[in-house]
Amino acid sequence: EVQFVESGGGVVRPGDSLRLSCAGTELSVNLFWMMWVRQSPTKGLEWVASSNPAGVEEYGESVRGRFIVSRDFGGESLSLQMNDVRDDDTAVYFCARQVYRRSYPRHSYLDVWGTGTSVTVS
Amino acid sequence: EIVLTQSPGTLSLSPGERATLTCRASQSLTNDYLAWYQQKSGQPPRLLIYDASARAAAIPDRFTGSGSGTEFTLTISRLEPEDLAVYFCQLYGGSLTFGGGTKVEIK
Repeated sequence: EVQFVESGGGVVRPGDSLRLSCAGTELSVNLFWMMWVRQSPTKGLEWVASSNPAGVEEYGESVRGRFIVSRDFGGESLSLQMNDVRDDDTAVYFCARQVYRRSYPRHSYLDVWGTGTSVTVS
Repeated sequence: EIVLTQSPGTLSLSPGERATLTCRASQSLTNDYLAWYQQKSGQPPRLLIYDASARAAAIPDRFTGSGSGTEFTLTISRLEPEDLAVYFCQLYGGSLTFGGGTKVEIK
């Protein structure tokens, strides 16, 4: 059974950059439609970004223009480059697998979640 | 943007009782693209239900999803101590959003 492991979280200052990674333990993330979701006490669960196996990206409104999701096809990982971070980016960041179905026009539900990595902006 | 509102905020029940959790959408969903997740303390969310009523793999049949339009329900027919968790609904399809969660406490 595939599992995902996130890394790269930490404490950063406002305006800094941080790069998160997500790797699969049994299968490469590059096989799947993937999503970054974050969770904070103030905002709850929030969609951050999505990426499909072809590398097509979509972003939530609060991070668009600052965050970049990408796939490292050589290293077989999914990354989230966080630029110009703000206090309200403080959260636990999860990578999760979307279940792809042609009937779902844009987004899907998430059947496998990583354990999360914590980002604190202070 | 469709907003999902979950109620109640907290549900406190005894083992063996029935739990009914509600997720209301601010607009009617044309497709029943709604999922439910369970999140235990310190763990990531776990998929329970998708497409409003389809049970995910390995989910016990005491978890049932139902509803359509603007009102969706997750029912836990016989609460067990291990069901202590926060439960979230999620809209997907053309847009994506999560509800604020319902905390289920076991008396």
